[in-house]
Amino acid sequence: RKEVEQDPGPFNVPEGATVAFNCTYSNSASQSFFWYRQDCRKEPKLLMSVYSSGNEDGRFTAQLNRASQYISLLIRDSKLSDSATYLCVAHNNAGNMLTFGGGTRLMVKP
Amino acid sequence: DTAVSQTPKYLVTQMGNDKSIKCEQNLGHDTMYWYKQDSKKFLKIMFSYNNKELIINETVPNRFSPKSPDKAHLNLHINSLELGDSAVYFCASSRGPEQFFGPGTRLTVL
Repeated sequence: RKEVEQDPGPFNVPEGATVAFNCTYSNSASQSFFWYRQDCRKEPKLLMSVYSSGNEDGRFTAQLNRASQYISLLIRDSKLSDSATYLCVAHNNAGNMLTFGGGTRLMVKP
Repeated sequence: DTAVSQTPKYLVTQMGNDKSIKCEQNLGHDTMYWYKQDSKKFLKIMFSYNNKELIINETVPNRFSPKSPDKAHLNLHINSLELGDSAVYFCASSRGPEQFFGPGTRLTVL
């Protein structure tokens, strides 16, 4: 079993739709979590940090459920520019390591 | 004003050769990393390094070695390149849990 698991998608949604991605992690020692965004042939870029139960940044809301070891990302009012792969990431304090999920691909269509 | 930079961007080489990829960060971060992203797009940590400690992912062959001339640089040396080494290699740096990635080096071994 992978340490961080995501549905690979793709999620094909129309502009303006609301879409949610789920992620589960197996290492209960993970302290904090992140969502990164990766465009095709580009580097991963930090989208949101998720330290407590969750947080919101504009159209993006991330939630964390430590009991279920589950993280989600909600994108409201999808834009064409949101099309990318979204990477769920768990941080382990030992060695300051990040463990990446396989990513969920989002395609927003006009 | 690039935060994390890597050279070269593309590297094409023959099996058995030895090559190096350079990474520099101007963020004043004290920890740097190397990741490998294979053809299936999984991003895996290879090394975590600060001036006190090198942490190696045990799955990384000893043909790979990081070398840090100073806090702002972490270069990746690869000996006796194999076909399976073909991938995109990302450098990253951090001060806290959030990591910032370089643009990647696409390595192709023929």
